[in-house]
Amino acid sequence: QVQFMQSGAEVKEPGSSMRVSCKASGDSFSTTAISWVRQAPGQGLEWMGGIIPVFGSPIYAKKFQGRVMIIADESTSTAHMDLSSLRFDDTAVYYCARATAVAGLDWALFDSWGQGTLVTVSS
Amino acid sequence: EIVLTQSPATLSVSPGESATLSCRATQSVRSNLAWYQWKPGQAPRLLIYGASIRATDIPARFSGSGSGTEFTLTISSLQSEDFAVYFCQQYNNWPRTFGQGTKMEIK
Repeated sequence: QVQFMQSGAEVKEPGSSMRVSCKASGDSFSTTAISWVRQAPGQGLEWMGGIIPVFGSPIYAKKFQGRVMIIADESTSTAHMDLSSLRFDDTAVYYCARATAVAGLDWALFDSWGQGTLVTVSS
Repeated sequence: EIVLTQSPATLSVSPGESATLSCRATQSVRSNLAWYQWKPGQAPRLLIYGASIRATDIPARFSGSGSGTEFTLTISSLQSEDFAVYFCQQYNNWPRTFGQGTKMEIK
């Protein structure tokens, strides 16, 4: 089973960029599908995108394309999620999570989660 | 994108009773729906996938049903550790989407 440890809380100004990191231990990092999911205050969870390190090419939800970048560093077993042009409504807890496939569908289920990283966008 | 609407938002139930939670999708997701349990300070826990298949080590008092756009999670004989937030998630379409959650509290 993979375990994730995420970077600490941050406060960012509108218009700036943020990076949340997610260090994996346990299972093989290279073949783990790592998703990023966020939860804004009072809202449900929102899938942002993901990456399988051995393949390198991330996938993104259309909503975030152009503003998000997900990368994986196999040397440190760490995934990073960068979000740019921050807005007040990007204030959220950001989670990394392992996605598994089921019934031939990739990125289907989320069975291991990081502890979450609170990012507050405030002026 | 597919919107999942859960009801009720909050459910007050006494220990030992049963609870029924609902998740409705704006279009068919076939049986590609999962349920999770989320307790404060813990990671979400996968309960059900394929609408009705219990995940590993999930007690039999948790059961899921439904297909298409209407889904139900039933928890029979509620125990103290079952009071939590429950949310559904579809994996039939992109992007994967989640419901807002139902908070189950002790009556």
